[in-house]
Amino acid sequence: EPEVTQTPSHQVTQMGQEVILRCVPISNHLYFYWYRQILGQKVEFLVSFYNNEISEKSEIFDDQFSVERPDGSNFTLKIRSTKLEDSAMYFCASRLGQGAYEQYFGPGTRLTVT
Amino acid sequence: GENVEQHPSTLSVQEGDSAVIKCTYSDSASNYFPWYKQELGKRPQLIIDIRSNVGEKKDQRIAVTLNKTAKHFSLHITETQPEDSAVYFCAARPGASGTYKYIFGTGTRLKVLA
Repeated sequence: EPEVTQTPSHQVTQMGQEVILRCVPISNHLYFYWYRQILGQKVEFLVSFYNNEISEKSEIFDDQFSVERPDGSNFTLKIRSTKLEDSAMYFCASRLGQGAYEQYFGPGTRLTVT
Repeated sequence: GENVEQHPSTLSVQEGDSAVIKCTYSDSASNYFPWYKQELGKRPQLIIDIRSNVGEKKDQRIAVTLNKTAKHFSLHITETQPEDSAVYFCAARPGASGTYKYIFGTGTRLKVLA
């Protein structure tokens, strides 16, 4: 059964550095999402992406963040100038679209900013 | 704003007993309510979902009920087994979200005692 994959599983970076989190959505899915979960807190929506552009974003998704689909398979989240409070688990998800409501999640990338 | 409350945060039951997890949502236009199970170190897995035009849905030992008037929905697990131990998240899709983003609850850690 196809699954969403994410790399790396764990990323440690120093404050102020840029990181890129990678996701490979399920191949025929059209909608892509990033969520994050700070330790001990709820999963929070960051951004959704469709047809090569951002379709919705939350207040969290400020100028520090960007997303890109550089090719036909990858979907990336870039965090510029990381801060300590960016430390969290970042989940990618994808959805088929066309009336399908279900989102399928990747295993997550744990980002630790020191 | 959009919010989903989930209770309890932890739940311990004896093997074979039933478990109930409850969620309330704030956006009365929400129309889709998935439940995810997350085992330690693994991705959130969709286990059951319900749309707003349905009051109850069942899949073997798992059932979800929805009360639109009260704006709450519940997960019921019967005949619990040790492998049901995990963190369970409820979510709601706000009616105004064209991209089907989810608003998550805070999660319930279920422990099934053998």
